[in-house]
Amino acid sequence: DVKVTQSSRYLVKRTGEKVFLECVQDMDHENMFWYRQDPGLGLRLIYFSYDVKMKEKGDIPEGYSVSREKKERFSLILESASTNQTSMYLCASGLVAAPSSYEQYFGPGTRLTVT
Amino acid sequence: SQQGEEDPQALSIQEGENATMNCSYKTSINNLQWYRQNSGRGLVHLILIRSNEREKHSGRLRVTLDTSKKSSSLLITASRAADTASYFCATTNTDKLIFGTGTRLQVFP
Repeated sequence: DVKVTQSSRYLVKRTGEKVFLECVQDMDHENMFWYRQDPGLGLRLIYFSYDVKMKEKGDIPEGYSVSREKKERFSLILESASTNQTSMYLCASGLVAAPSSYEQYFGPGTRLTVT
Repeated sequence: SQQGEEDPQALSIQEGENATMNCSYKTSINNLQWYRQNSGRGLVHLILIRSNEREKHSGRLRVTLDTSKKSSSLLITASRAADTASYFCATTNTDKLIFGTGTRLQVFP
């Protein structure tokens, strides 16, 4: 079974703090993704990565950065946390495959509260 | 940029009844997937239907796809209390998934 783990289930940080969210997958997947999920807005893609040291902006990258130094680990960084970044953050991984057969495997999520 | 819109937003049924959720999307797709999310957890992949397929089954799940109407439906037959969750459709055009806003299904025992 594919396993995607996230470093924390719940996190509370103060405005202005630097926040690291870690994600690790154990299936040697090339692709990794960070989403945030908010009520009424569904899942929105923040950043994704096709390979080590590669990153691509998603739909809402502002206020975030990412790091992928190893294939199995993808970190999301909030350089200076703000209250509007309070959300559920979901990490996912997937194989590089033909687009017609592509699916993603999700971690359990990190619920971040910024006060 | 959201691609899929699920309908209804919320659905409440009794155990044993069937549940139908619909998804509409805007642009051409390679495939459409359905995911389930239990409260406060990550998403779990349920089923994928390719753009050249019209219907697919997996256990109690039946998915249809109508590319001319840009819509899909997910049918859960003989529902159980454990089916209570949010259900999301997601479309693939390149190698990114674009999710809809989800249908919240409540199954009462």
